[in-house]
Amino acid sequence: DAKTTQPNSMESNEEEPVHLPCNHSTISGTDYIHWYRQLPSQGPEYVIHGLTSNVNNRMASLAIAEDRKSSTLILHRATLRDAAVYYCILRPNAGGTSYGKLTFGQGTILTVHP
Amino acid sequence: DTGVSQDPRHKITKRGQNVTFRCDPISEHNRLYWYRQTLGQGPEFLTYFQNEAQLEKSRLLSDRFSAERPKGSFSTLEIQRTEQGDSAMYLCASRTENEQYFGPGTRLTVT
Repeated sequence: DAKTTQPNSMESNEEEPVHLPCNHSTISGTDYIHWYRQLPSQGPEYVIHGLTSNVNNRMASLAIAEDRKSSTLILHRATLRDAAVYYCILRPNAGGTSYGKLTFGQGTILTVHP
Repeated sequence: DTGVSQDPRHKITKRGQNVTFRCDPISEHNRLYWYRQTLGQGPEFLTYFQNEAQLEKSRLLSDRFSAERPKGSFSTLEIQRTEQGDSAMYLCASRTENEQYFGPGTRLTVT
C-alpha cells in the first residue's frame, strides 16, 4: 500500500483556519485520498475524500496538488470539538483485492487552544 | 441510533480465557471490517466480510482469532487463549461506497 507522511502534531487557536498537510509521493493513479479523524475515546470518523480535484463538504475542504503527491485538509474555523487525530489515507480503487480496507498511519494530533 | 454498535464496550479478562465481541453494522451495509488499535497507533486492518463471506484476513489475525458473520448481518470476533499482547481497542466498521462508519470499539484488557 502506498504510504502517507503527516506531521506528528499541530496546534491551532479556536476560530482560526487549520491546514493539515499530507505527503503521498508514491500515490498511484487510481488511489483515492481519504481523511478520517478520531476524537478521544471514539472510533474514526470520515471527513472527506478526493481523487484529483479539490473537494468541499460541510466539515472541511481538501486541496490536492496538481501532481497528486501531496494534499492538505483545511478546517476553515477550528473549534474545540475539532481536537482529534487526523489520518490521511490512500485508498485503492475498490476494484481488485483491496476491498476498500483502510491503512492508517499514526496521523496528526491536532490541539485547538481556546 | 442507526450507527454501528459494538458490544461490550469494555472487557477485562485473564490471560488464557476466551472472549467474544459483537458488531452490529448499519443495516443496509453489506461490507464489514474489523480493525485493532493499540495505544498511540492508528487502527490496523484485521479482516473483511462482504455479506457472510470472509474475503480477506490480515496476517495479524493469528489462529487464535476467528471472525464470523452469519447471514450477513451482525459479526462476531472471538479470541481464544488471550494473551497480554491482545490488549487493544477492537473496532468494527461498515461501509458505503466511499465512507467507512466505525463503531465505538471494544476495549480489551488482558491481565
